[in-house]
Amino acid sequence: LAKTTQPISMDSYEGQEVNITCSHNNIATNDYITWYQQFPSQGPRFIIQGYKTKVTNEVASLFIPADRKSSTLSLPRVSLSDTAVYYCLPGGGGYNKLIFGAGTRLAVHP
Amino acid sequence: DTGVSQDPRHKITKRGQNVTFRCDPISEHNRLYWYRQTLGQGPEFLTYFQNEAQLEKSRLLSDRFSAERPKGSFSTLEIQRTEQGDSAMYLCASSPSVVGETQYFGPGTRLLVL
Repeated sequence: LAKTTQPISMDSYEGQEVNITCSHNNIATNDYITWYQQFPSQGPRFIIQGYKTKVTNEVASLFIPADRKSSTLSLPRVSLSDTAVYYCLPGGGGYNKLIFGAGTRLAVHP
Repeated sequence: DTGVSQDPRHKITKRGQNVTFRCDPISEHNRLYWYRQTLGQGPEFLTYFQNEAQLEKSRLLSDRFSAERPKGSFSTLEIQRTEQGDSAMYLCASSPSVVGETQYFGPGTRLLVL
């Protein structure tokens, strides 16, 4: 499974757009890229998943360049409730075990 | 609420005691996973089931740990002779066995071994 690198922490303010980039240089050809969000004392929650180009849902957008060696999670107009840990997982295609890194701790300030 | 439930949500026990956790997955999901998460770390894979068959176990799952899914629905995770190092959040997730489908996590059971 591909090893991931993402920032340990990020700070933002309410109303700003936040972009979290994850590097996964050794991603396999058939791997999807999945992002999860986790609040304290809760299980991870699926945010978005993609294979290439751009995916958008009601929560976030996911940008994946053509070489698929990185991906960027974009959270538009964050609020205090977006304060959480965000995990990038290549290979999260449902039937595979998920390999979590330490994630990115996002703190949103008033 | 993802539809995956875990019981109990919290458990405090003394070292050496046995504990058992239960997970009820989303009913139509035939894959069920167990993970363990310690403070400040991401979840670590422990084991998973396809229906009632346990298909993979991590090296983290010592012989004191046993998991079952007898009827392919709910699952139990038992820890025998608990140690302080077993203190963690135990997470359960379920998914359909379809490519591209995601795993849905329960709220977790937080274990504290005194």
